[in-house]
Amino acid sequence: EAGVAQSPRYKIIEKRQSVAFWCNPISGHATLYWYQQILGQGPKLLIQFQNNGVVDDSQLPKDRFSAERLKGVDSTLKIQPAKLEDSAVYLCASSPGRQGFGNYGYTFGSGTRLTVV
Amino acid sequence: SQQGEEDPQALSIQEGENATMNCSYKTSINNLQWYRQNSGRGLVHLILIRSNEREKHSGRLRVTLDTSKKSSSLLITASRAADTASYFCATAVDPSNTGKLIFGQGTTLQVKP
Repeated sequence: EAGVAQSPRYKIIEKRQSVAFWCNPISGHATLYWYQQILGQGPKLLIQFQNNGVVDDSQLPKDRFSAERLKGVDSTLKIQPAKLEDSAVYLCASSPGRQGFGNYGYTFGSGTRLTVV
Repeated sequence: SQQGEEDPQALSIQEGENATMNCSYKTSINNLQWYRQNSGRGLVHLILIRSNEREKHSGRLRVTLDTSKKSSSLLITASRAADTASYFCATAVDPSNTGKLIFGQGTTLQVKP
């Protein structure tokens, strides 16, 4: 089974520039998550999709971050404009469904390491 | 704020020894999961324990869950240098209308050859 694909692996941008990350989840996984992991910390959920609908975006800084999951398959996460504090690893994960309607482990991609200078 | 808190933050042991990591959480859960993260990589799912289970095994891993104390422990027996990684507990909060996992800050494990 193919894993969760993410690209790019690394990105360096200047502050105030824009950047986009792409994620392709495991085929058939209905639920997709974007997490932000700052160095030395645990992952923090940014947004959760169920198929192509948003389930939870309560911690997404909506003034600069946006995400979409068209057709309920792959997803993009965008930052515009980037700030220094956005430097982190952005992890995409997928699962067959939502916790509480089953018990699922997440499958994570390798992440995109973003450095904002 | 983080739901799960791991303890210790860092652990260094010799190969062959056992490693124990603890996780405490604040609210009722549907399940609790442990993940491993090697440096510069994504997280790998290790084991899931449901709220009505008390202990679970997978290879050299043993997880316990005490819902009365809101705590869990991960035991890695006969550790190997390849076990060097960060370990995170994650909780699926119950009741939840989103089913998201909330991760702790992690324990960094170093296994010396």
